[in-house]
Amino acid sequence: AQSVTQLDSQVPVFEEAPVELRCNYSSSVSVYLFWYVQYPNQGLQLLLKYLSGSTLVKGINGFEAEFNKSQTSFHLRKPSVHISDTAEYFCAVSDLRTSYDKVIFGPGTSLSVIP
Amino acid sequence: SQTIHQWPATLVQPVGSPLSLECTVEGTSNPNLYWYRQAAGRGLQLLFYSVGIGQISSEVPQNLSASRPQDRQFILSSKKLLLSDSGFYLCAWSSQETQYFGPGTRLLVL
Repeated sequence: AQSVTQLDSQVPVFEEAPVELRCNYSSSVSVYLFWYVQYPNQGLQLLLKYLSGSTLVKGINGFEAEFNKSQTSFHLRKPSVHISDTAEYFCAVSDLRTSYDKVIFGPGTSLSVIP
Repeated sequence: SQTIHQWPATLVQPVGSPLSLECTVEGTSNPNLYWYRQAAGRGLQLLFYSVGIGQISSEVPQNLSASRPQDRQFILSSKKLLLSDSGFYLCAWSSQETQYFGPGTRLLVL
């Protein structure tokens, strides 16, 4: 069965500092990978996704992620964070074997940007 | 472009009362539709998914049910709410590999 691990439940970082949110997955087949952001009391918004091709994926709000197949990782990075980046971040993997678009979500990482 | 709506935005209901949450999608046809629940401070739990009108699959046994009376309408229901039904309910749609989420409904059962 597929699973997603987000190693850090909470990440505090100072404003304008870089940040990396870690994500590892387990799967015996090819997968699609996603990062979503959730602001308080809102739905999830897609930040970026990896389907195929270049392993470095750029998303909205200055975020990027790199797919590493050998390490089964898909870490999210931003070179300089803003206060507005404070939110919950979810890594997710799509199971391509199902008849519907089944997505397995990680438990989430709470990013707190300190002024 | 596609949009997804959920209502109500917030709901406070007494234990034992019925529930109906609605989700509609615009700008796409024959989407896959999903209901998730997010308990306070926790991740997402898939409750139901639907690949077409009248086709509902349940991921976990529970006090809730779902229906899809129209192609772009997905309804989450309960005959009698429990305290444990409190949470943030999210509807999502997909047409290929990516799921897109609605704004959510905050349900508090007292």
